[in-house]
Amino acid sequence: DVKVTQSSRYLVKRTGEKVFLECVQDMDHENMFWYRQDPGLGLRLIYFSYDVKMKEKGDIPEGYSVSREKKERFSLILESASTNQTSMYLCASSLGGSGYEQYFGPGTRLTVT
Amino acid sequence: AQKVTQAQTEISVVEKEDVTLDCVYETRDTTYYLFWYKQPPSGELVFLIRRNSFDEQNEISGRYSWNFQKSTSSFNFTITASQVVDSAVYFCALSEIGASKIIFGSGTRLSIRP
Repeated sequence: DVKVTQSSRYLVKRTGEKVFLECVQDMDHENMFWYRQDPGLGLRLIYFSYDVKMKEKGDIPEGYSVSREKKERFSLILESASTNQTSMYLCASSLGGSGYEQYFGPGTRLTVT
Repeated sequence: AQKVTQAQTEISVVEKEDVTLDCVYETRDTTYYLFWYKQPPSGELVFLIRRNSFDEQNEISGRYSWNFQKSTSSFNFTITASQVVDSAVYFCALSEIGASKIIFGSGTRLSIRP
């Protein structure tokens, strides 16, 4: 079974803090994704990566950056957390590009106060 | 532009009723993929099914069935004899050929009452 793990289920940070969300997958998948999920808005893609050190902006990249130094690990960074970044963050991975299903981690509920 | 619409925000039915979740998509591509995911209260999205645009056969898996109709750009999901464990948020999604990313609908929250 594909396993995608995220470093924290719940996280509380203060405005202005630098926040790291870590995601690890154990199935040698090429692609990894970061989404945020907000009520009524579904899942919105923040960034994705199709190879080590490669990344592409998704639909809402502002205020975020990512890092992929190893194939199995994809990090989401909030350089200076703001209250409007309070959300559920979901990481996913897939074996390839279009047509491949994505496998999701359990999510990190981030609250920025 | 690609888009997925799930017009039903919330549905509540009594256990053992049949329920259909609607999904309408928009794409200019002739080759694309459609997905359904389930998000139970625990939060982790679970992949349910993938269809490609050339395969319009309906799919049945136990109590779950999917109806794909290109003529109406719809990919609807039916649960027969619903159970409380089916309570979840269900997402329909679309991926165009050559695109790494998947576009998700806004989801339908399904509540099954005992």
